[in-house]
Amino acid sequence: GQSLEQPSEVTAVEGAIVQINCTYQTSGFYGLSWYQQHDGGAPTFLSYNGLDGLEETGRFSSFLSRSDSYGYLLLQELQMKDSASYFCAVTTGFQKLVFGTGTRLLVSP
Amino acid sequence: GAGVSQSPSNKVTEKGKDVELRCDPISGHTALYWYRQSLGQGLEFLIYFQGNSAPDKSGLPSDRFSAERTGGSVSTLTIQRTQQEDSAVYLCASSSYTENTQYFGPGTRLTVL
Repeated sequence: GQSLEQPSEVTAVEGAIVQINCTYQTSGFYGLSWYQQHDGGAPTFLSYNGLDGLEETGRFSSFLSRSDSYGYLLLQELQMKDSASYFCAVTTGFQKLVFGTGTRLLVSP
Repeated sequence: GAGVSQSPSNKVTEKGKDVELRCDPISGHTALYWYRQSLGQGLEFLIYFQGNSAPDKSGLPSDRFSAERTGGSVSTLTIQRTQQEDSAVYLCASSSYTENTQYFGPGTRLTVL
């Protein structure tokens, strides 16, 4: 089977740094993606890690360790607009993604 | 360019009725996906199309659910004899041959009374 585990909810204050972890157990693995979804909105792509290490895109960074079946999304200089749900997703085959259950991030003033 | 579009944006129906949900993917995208998302929950995979064929239908919850894709473009998800547990947001996504990123549409919110 396929399973991706994330914390259900994370809270933080504006300006802080938060890390959202994702551990996975899948039948195939080609890479780990992260998607953001605001309430009532569609998921949007944030980042992709195909290889071990850190990828940085502005305030967001994503990390992957294939040997540990683990990755995380790091959000820096948190803003109120970052309050959303964040999903990790594993590419298990050609154009096939399996999504995690999502982490709800609440940013307070 | 235009993104993924879905129609209708909202659908309210009575239990037992059939519904059709439509997805227009980004032009040129070969892969198309349907997901279901219940309130506050994750993304439940339903079906995946590569061109007009569906190599993976494993997520369809029952034989009341079916989907087709024509011309390698538009897709329709049909739910027959709707039940209250079918109430959810149905999301469509597409991706191109050369990338893994999925681009999502705004979804159709289905409410079964």
